[in-house]
Amino acid sequence: RKEVEQDPGPFNVPEGATVAFNCTYSNSASQSFFWYRQDCRKEPKLLMSVYSSGNEDGRFTAQLNRASQYISLLIRDSKLSDSATYLCVVPPYGGSQGNLIFGKGTKLSVKP
Amino acid sequence: DADVTQTPRNRITKTGKRIMLECSQTKGHDRMYWYRQDPGLGLRLIYYSFDVKDINKGEISDGYSVSRQAQAKFSLSLESAIPNQTALYFCATKRGQNTGELFFGEGSRLTVL
Repeated sequence: RKEVEQDPGPFNVPEGATVAFNCTYSNSASQSFFWYRQDCRKEPKLLMSVYSSGNEDGRFTAQLNRASQYISLLIRDSKLSDSATYLCVVPPYGGSQGNLIFGKGTKLSVKP
Repeated sequence: DADVTQTPRNRITKTGKRIMLECSQTKGHDRMYWYRQDPGLGLRLIYYSFDVKDINKGEISDGYSVSRQAQAKFSLSLESAIPNQTALYFCATKRGQNTGELFFGEGSRLTVL
């Protein structure tokens, strides 16, 4: 298994829909996970961290499933402005956060 | 002004030319990184530095070199550019080990003809 894998999409959803992405990781010792958002032709930016107990920020919910080694991002009531690529980020083998590993991203397109 | 500034933002050059991409930051972070992004391949780490004079190779360092002249500056050089180095290059900074938040510059788009 690759260190981090994501479905590239695109996920095409209507406004108001609920959409979820998963990201699988291979390092069972990983403690910290993150979701970044990247708009077209822009730099990635941290969206949210993923804690063992889950993390919710408004319409966004991130969950961790250690048994199956995946993290998820749920977006409720999708907005046009949510259209972007969502990158899953995990620490590498060895656990050091000095060198984070980025997934290739899942593209979301929210349509009117 | 941006906290992480990359120059140039766009550059077109020819095969064999030497190119330097520069990155400066005002965030006071100790850790700096250079990534390249290619369609379908995601972000790949080229080099990273945890402090001045600390240089570490990333996943794809061949054909590149870096210099950490000061805590705030981290430059990436392509000694002899080749077409497959055409990509979007990002500089990023991070404070310490125990945080997952990288702050990226706006990117430098390099085209090698």
